[in-house]
Amino acid sequence: GQQLNQSPQSMFIQEGEDVSMNCTSSSIFNTWLWYKQDPGEGPVLLIALYKAGELTSNGRLTAQFGITRKDSFLNISASIPSDVGIYFCAGLLRGGTSYGKLTFGQGTILTVHP
Amino acid sequence: GAVVSQHPSWVICKSGTSVKIECRSLDFQATTMFWYRQFPKQSLMLMATSNEGSKATYEQGVEKDKFLINHASLTLSTLTVTSAHPEDSSFYICSASEGARGEAFFGQGTRLTVV
Repeated sequence: GQQLNQSPQSMFIQEGEDVSMNCTSSSIFNTWLWYKQDPGEGPVLLIALYKAGELTSNGRLTAQFGITRKDSFLNISASIPSDVGIYFCAGLLRGGTSYGKLTFGQGTILTVHP
Repeated sequence: GAVVSQHPSWVICKSGTSVKIECRSLDFQATTMFWYRQFPKQSLMLMATSNEGSKATYEQGVEKDKFLINHASLTLSTLTVTSAHPEDSSFYICSASEGARGEAFFGQGTRLTVV
């Protein structure tokens, strides 16, 4: 099925560094979502973006919905060891038969060294 | 956010047996739930869309007779892996959407091991 292009695939950083990851798509989405998944757990919603150009923060996390509605980025500032995990972007088309149906990026595996 | 509960968290079964996984929306009603399969360090692969009161919609390549989905109420969807084989071993995750904005909330996932 269709996937979003998410990069980088993996990152190895030192504690305290900032992190940036992004997703692009050939299709337009109404909503962009960013999830974090810990090993053996389901994804947890971090940030939801609803409007083109929207910039939203959640603690040390900041995400933006691209103007063209075909891309988004997620920044994590001052990383800590518990930021370790897999981060997924997801695009959502609201309404109709696709209600709630997500298109996922490939994921970014984040490793933080103390 | 909304809470989705999945049970069991892990299960080990013998080849040829069937396994049922439950997905519940605890504090909201979900007319639509989704079932995913995930391999290690890979993204989530959508298997099917579970619709309350009607048949599930399966993604291309997913055997509907192998993965039976029942969505009998607005808060419960079940996935039954029938006649399980070792290649069915995987991490299965459900999600449900709440509200007009449609954000999906995920269950904790079920680790299935078929021996």
